[in-house]
Amino acid sequence: GDSVTQMEGPVTLSEEAFLTINCTYTATGYPSLFWYVQYPGEGLQLLLKATKADDKGSNKGFEATYRKETTSFHLEKGSVQVSDSAVYFCALSASWGKLQFGAGTQVVVTP
Amino acid sequence: ETGVTQTPRHLVMGMTNKKSLKCEQHLGHNAMYWYKQSAKKPLELMFVYNFKEQTENNSVPSRFSPECPNSSHLFLHLHTLQPEDSALYLCASSLSELAGYNEQFFGPGTRLTVL
Repeated sequence: GDSVTQMEGPVTLSEEAFLTINCTYTATGYPSLFWYVQYPGEGLQLLLKATKADDKGSNKGFEATYRKETTSFHLEKGSVQVSDSAVYFCALSASWGKLQFGAGTQVVVTP
Repeated sequence: ETGVTQTPRHLVMGMTNKKSLKCEQHLGHNAMYWYKQSAKKPLELMFVYNFKEQTENNSVPSRFSPECPNSSHLFLHLHTLQPEDSALYLCASSLSELAGYNEQFFGPGTRLTVL
């Protein structure tokens, strides 16, 4: 079945460091891919998405490119801030509809 | 502001109590979802409603009973819960359950503690 695998956390970084969170997927067909973010005490918010191969999603300085050849959708940000501390979820939407989430990666950014 | 509200935000209940969680979406969506988020565990999909019809029950115990009276409102009725049911319960909505329209918008969640 469809699945999403993302790197385990916590990932601890200093402010202004480069962030990468790896996400790979298994799916039949051509899924859409998403990154959601959950700040402490809140629900999940859509961060960015890509609906077809080679699409790049971007928002708030974060980027992810849909790589069909490597079945990946890695999240990157060039210079993190303390306010980026959160849990990040990679997700896919397969052709038959269900949204499948990864386990989440906690990111901690220290001043 | 996500357009999906949940009440209450926090709930403490005993194992013999009956309570309900409420979710309301102001986005004109037709699909609504309940998720359970426990510490150290992946997000668990519990129920899905599409155009007020339940389309998914992910082997959820009967002590959780959903209700969707219209496309804007979703309830989760709770009775005789167990301490292991303590978790953050998240509601979400999307335009439809169908692929291509199922980008989900989440509420802030209800933090439930069962004593």
